[in-house]
Amino acid sequence: KNQVEQSPQSLIILEGKNCTLQCNYTVSPFSNLRWYKQDTGRGPVSLTIMTFSENTKSNGRYTATLDADTKQSSLHITASQLSDSASYICVVSKKGGGNKLTFGTGTQLKVEL
Amino acid sequence: DGGITQSPKYLFRKEGQNVTLSCEQNLNHDAMYWYRQDPGQGLRLIYYSQIVNDFQKGDIAEGYSVSREKKESFPLTVTSAQKNPTAFYLCASSPLAGDSYTFGSGTRLTVV
Repeated sequence: KNQVEQSPQSLIILEGKNCTLQCNYTVSPFSNLRWYKQDTGRGPVSLTIMTFSENTKSNGRYTATLDADTKQSSLHITASQLSDSASYICVVSKKGGGNKLTFGTGTQLKVEL
Repeated sequence: DGGITQSPKYLFRKEGQNVTLSCEQNLNHDAMYWYRQDPGQGLRLIYYSQIVNDFQKGDIAEGYSVSREKKESFPLTVTSAQKNPTAFYLCASSPLAGDSYTFGSGTRLTVV
């Protein structure tokens, strides 16, 4: 069964600190991996998308890594801000699956003063 | 600005009633999708459509129906047959090829 698992389930950090969120997947054959940010009561917004050949991709203070051999990805947030408080969702696309995606359950991040 | 619009943002329904959620996009995307989001679970696909007048069931289609009469519009009807309809519903669109995948802002449906 194609799955996407994220850890931790939730995380609380102080403003200005860094954090790293993890994503492991079993989706095969792999096409691409996306990280989304979802504010409470809103739709997900894309942060990064990586294909098989990409190891890292940045979007401002967000840096995603991908190890396609171990089927692991991480999202690193640098110098966190209160506005980073949200759910971060890892999403994997299957090659030949059209644009049907497999979603992780998300990591709920809270940034506090 | 191009985007995808869902309405209403909040919707209340009495048990036994059908209700329709609206989704409109002006991104000229061919494909459109409906997802359901429940606490502690990943998004689950209800229905998707890759072309006008055609759509396919997703993983949890029972109790739902859709139509795709126009490229821009993909309304979702939650019927009385859906046993547990209270959830957050997300619409998305994408081109048939390429990486762009855009979500709407969601509709929260509550059965009272």
